[in-house]
Amino acid sequence: ILNVEQSPQSLHVQEGDSTNFTCSFPSSNFYALHWYRWETAKSPEALFVMTLNGDEKKKGRISATLNTKEGYSYLYIKGSQPEDSATYLCACDDQTGANNLFFGTGTRLTVIP
Amino acid sequence: GAGVSQSPSNKVTEKGKDVELRCDPISGHTALYWYRQRLGQGLEFLIYFQGNSAPDKSGLPSDRFSAERTGESVSTLTIQRTQQEDSAVYLCASSLWAWSGANVLTFGAGSRLTVL
Repeated sequence: ILNVEQSPQSLHVQEGDSTNFTCSFPSSNFYALHWYRWETAKSPEALFVMTLNGDEKKKGRISATLNTKEGYSYLYIKGSQPEDSATYLCACDDQTGANNLFFGTGTRLTVIP
Repeated sequence: GAGVSQSPSNKVTEKGKDVELRCDPISGHTALYWYRQRLGQGLEFLIYFQGNSAPDKSGLPSDRFSAERTGESVSTLTIQRTQQEDSAVYLCASSLWAWSGANVLTFGAGSRLTVL
């Protein structure tokens, strides 16, 4: 079992503000890091999968970075919009079980219009 | 189908009753996962199916929990003699190829179970 931690647990920002949150994971036996967005009453949706140290992925106003040596990933949202309100889940896979993704508790983001 | 379908979307039951949750994965996805999220906690792995291989049941919390999958299609998660601590959102996900951690999961909308 991997201990994946996310912070903060919840976050309120004003529309237009940029924000970021953190996912921490054990750096040993790292294989892949996933970010998912989970909107209320919908299914979790994949945002990014990263495997290499230094990876940076971008999708519109959302981007993510990965540091496998120190065991963290940041998710950034530029110019937050109300539709960005969701819980952002981070998940980590290690090489001991490719069938298991270990999830953090998520960061609940609320963007205030 | 176009996505992963789960039913029921909401289920309220009395303590001690049995419940059955259903998951219909994306056609052609060989791997199927069940997770649950209890209030204030992360997604907890329950069970994983890959093709015709024996399922990985290592996440099932007790012998009251069981799951079946017919080939590479529908799966049912059964909880016998439900307890209040079983209250959670039960999520099903499927993926095309399971033997890689970089493989992306497609989730269903979940089944919210409330045990009174």
